[in-house]
Amino acid sequence: DTGVSQDPRHKITKRGQNVTFRCDPISEHNRLYWYRQTLGQGPEFLTYFQNEAQLEKSRLLSDRFSAERPKGSFSTLEIQRTEQGDSAMYLCASSLDSSYNEQFFGPGTRLTVL
Amino acid sequence: TQLLEQSPQFLSIQEGENLTVYCNSSSVFSSLQWYRQEPGEGPVLLVTVVTGGEVKKLKRLTFQFGDARKDSSLHITAAQPGDTGLYLCAGDPGGSYIPTFGRGTSLIVHP
Repeated sequence: DTGVSQDPRHKITKRGQNVTFRCDPISEHNRLYWYRQTLGQGPEFLTYFQNEAQLEKSRLLSDRFSAERPKGSFSTLEIQRTEQGDSAMYLCASSLDSSYNEQFFGPGTRLTVL
Repeated sequence: TQLLEQSPQFLSIQEGENLTVYCNSSSVFSSLQWYRQEPGEGPVLLVTVVTGGEVKKLKRLTFQFGDARKDSSLHITAAQPGDTGLYLCAGDPGGSYIPTFGRGTSLIVHP
């Protein structure tokens, strides 16, 4: 069990550029979540997948954000036309299909938009 | 307004002291999780509490779920510098499969 991995760990980009992050969940976990976390806050839900189906998106998620999980394995989160307000830690987590929905997090991708 | 309110927001103590942090809500949760997060890393699951009134112990950490399943507490005995971190509580309101997190309690334990 290698845990949840995320790539890259850090990304610095200029405003207006597109960025893409990757998450590899724990292999037997069928749920995959994306969160955003800023300083002094807990993780904020963005979207989640059950296998390859995207079941829920936060109303806070603008049209510039898109996520995919082809074949129900790894997932990507793309941010188009980045803005300085997108600077944050982007966390991925996976969980088993159980009533407790315990989250297993990756190390996160720290995005800085200049 | 946060669905899960955590207090205190910050705590700075000396090694060997005891402390309690709280997680409160007006909503009922079927379960609550506690996580610890270190700077620059993702949160790590510590425990899940399920039954009202339940008490779980993890070495020097004691977790309690309120009788009405609306609140939880974490008590640390004889804190050590390695306990330093952000403590987060989380739960799925109404069984939505969408976890909501509190803002966390940032704990610093000085040697």
